[in-house]
Amino acid sequence: DAGVIQSPRHEVTEMGQEVTLRCKPISGHDYLFWYRQTMMRGLELLIYFNNNVPIDDSGMPEDRFSAKMPNASFSTLKIQPSEPRDSAVYFCASSLRTGPYNEQFFGPGTRLTVL
Amino acid sequence: AQKVTQAQTEISVVEKEDVTLDCVYETRDTTYYLFWYKQPPSGELVFLIRRNSFDEQNEISGRYSWNFQKSTSSFNFTITASQVVDSAVYFCALSEAGTYNTDKLIFGTGTRLQVFP
Repeated sequence: DAGVIQSPRHEVTEMGQEVTLRCKPISGHDYLFWYRQTMMRGLELLIYFNNNVPIDDSGMPEDRFSAKMPNASFSTLKIQPSEPRDSAVYFCASSLRTGPYNEQFFGPGTRLTVL
Repeated sequence: AQKVTQAQTEISVVEKEDVTLDCVYETRDTTYYLFWYKQPPSGELVFLIRRNSFDEQNEISGRYSWNFQKSTSSFNFTITASQVVDSAVYFCALSEAGTYNTDKLIFGTGTRLQVFP
């Protein structure tokens, strides 16, 4: 398996622009998670999906952030409009629910810089 | 409340030294899982180990060992004879799996380990 795939790996944009981050989970995994990592706040869970349905979006910072999962093999995280404080590394992770635990497999991350 | 504390922000050692990374957790649940992840300089997060709350046996995998003690709510990670390639940020994480199961991983703030030659 190719693992979790994220694109782009790096994104540099100007304040006010729309940014779309993409994720392909591991085939067969029915949970998908979006995280944000910054020096100040560490790893934060933004939102997660189960079987393509958003379960908990309480970590989404504000209305400028939205996430979708139109099918089992694709998810997007959109920021519109972007702001410099959104600069961070965004990780996507997926897991297979086989029991009361969830080992998550992480993608390589997208490093976002908003100027 | 659920919380993971990694009090050591950064540790520096010289190659071949042993080093222990501390992790203390808080949970409301009686069933839970603890994890360690490694984040090397390349940035990706790599799963190292998972432990459930009913299994307090220590585990050893090569130079890595983990000490789980429910009495002190700790899940410490020891690297024996450290190597430069061990340089990374290490994260401890908790997942509540019983009454309070939310499918979420709660991460600590990480410990940056630097191993010098």
